[in-house]
Amino acid sequence: NAGVTQTPKFRVLKTGQSMTLLCAQDMNHEYMYWYRQDPGMGLRLIHYSVGEGTTAKGEVPDGYNVSRLKKQNFLLGLESAAPSQTSVYFCASSYDIRAGGQETQYFGPGTRLLVL
Amino acid sequence: AQTVTQSQPEMSVQEAETVTLSCTYDTSESDYYLFWYKQPPSRQMILVIRQEAYKQQNATENRFSVNFQKAAKSFSLKISDSQLGDAAMYFCAYRKTSYDKVIFGPGTSLSVIP
Repeated sequence: NAGVTQTPKFRVLKTGQSMTLLCAQDMNHEYMYWYRQDPGMGLRLIHYSVGEGTTAKGEVPDGYNVSRLKKQNFLLGLESAAPSQTSVYFCASSYDIRAGGQETQYFGPGTRLLVL
Repeated sequence: AQTVTQSQPEMSVQEAETVTLSCTYDTSESDYYLFWYKQPPSRQMILVIRQEAYKQQNATENRFSVNFQKAAKSFSLKISDSQLGDAAMYFCAYRKTSYDKVIFGPGTSLSVIP
């Protein structure tokens, strides 16, 4: 049981380049989330998903797209990277609390992204 | 809108001593969840403790306990017998029961002095 994994761990991009961050969970969780973490600002929600095939915007969705084609995977895409997107990105997953599951979120190890 | 505030950007504690981290939140809901997450230098987010707002009893997990004051909207974390491995960023977080998102505070950096 690997929990939540993220790929890659670290990446350097040039402004304008694109990339996809992959999050995978093996806990059969319905909900998945993408956060970014910046100094002094805690974690801010980018996008989230409440089930396979669904996505929704969080607090800071601009410049990002997501897809949830399979229940266990949640992809975060940057179509045209900007220096303001330099950050640490965390993926998380949780059970469906409305179906009686626990509300606790389980986090991946994070991805450091540097945009030059 | 819900907000979570941690007024102490940095704290330090002597090894084996006790330290309390503060957290306040703003909500108009009566039922919700509160969490403390720990983030060590490895950057992994680890759940330390959680509290259901409808429970009056304060949650406890080994050396970690909370002081939940619902009327004051305060949720502090007490770490007893501090250990070197407790050094980390600590984030207070809030989640409405029927809502999907978790709102995090800005974090408190805890140093443990040998």
